[in-house]
Amino acid sequence: NAGVMQNPRHLVRRRGQEARLRCSPMKGHSHVYWYRQLPEEGLKFMVYLQKENIIDESGMPKERFSAEFPKEGPSILRIQQVVRGDSAAYFCASSQGLAGYEQYFGPGTRLTVT
Amino acid sequence: KNEVEQSPQNLTAQEGEFITINCSYSVGISALHWLQQHPGGGIVSLFMLSSGKKKHGRLIATINIQEKHSSLHITASHPRESAVYICAVRSDWQGGSQGNLIFGKGTKLSVKP
Repeated sequence: NAGVMQNPRHLVRRRGQEARLRCSPMKGHSHVYWYRQLPEEGLKFMVYLQKENIIDESGMPKERFSAEFPKEGPSILRIQQVVRGDSAAYFCASSQGLAGYEQYFGPGTRLTVT
Repeated sequence: KNEVEQSPQNLTAQEGEFITINCSYSVGISALHWLQQHPGGGIVSLFMLSSGKKKHGRLIATINIQEKHSSLHITASHPRESAVYICAVRSDWQGGSQGNLIFGKGTKLSVKP
């Protein structure tokens, strides 16, 4: 049973470009969480999704960021018109359910905006 | 004040020493996680607990719900356990916020041979 997969592992974008980060949850997991780790800072929650639904996006910046988890395929975190401050490690985690279920983390995508 | 506080921020130990990392939180929780992150690497979940104590090899995690405090212990530490250890809590049901984790800033552990 493969773990949580994220790709790409490293992504370089120029200011103003779009970044698309992908997360494939563990088999059988229908809950996906995105977290961001800014340089020298702790992890921060961004968004929580179940298949086809955004459950909690209270940690997402209001502009330029969006997330989806379609019925088929991976969850996508999309950042439009990237700025230098978006440079960070973005981690995805998945779980089977909510209360009482452990979250399993992917290896992260390290985004660098030049 | 952060909702999850860890201490110490940095910890240096000699191989074989007994290590304790502390975590205090100020919100109601349904579970607490201990995570390990190696430099430039991914995040590994070590423990998830909501009461009592769990043990895995030389790692022990305890939680005191009344005191809102958890500890991670490493007995006979080894250089390969040099990493950042992160405490994270899952808050109680509060409408839409029940899914996410709230993280401490991490404790950087360096174990010298």
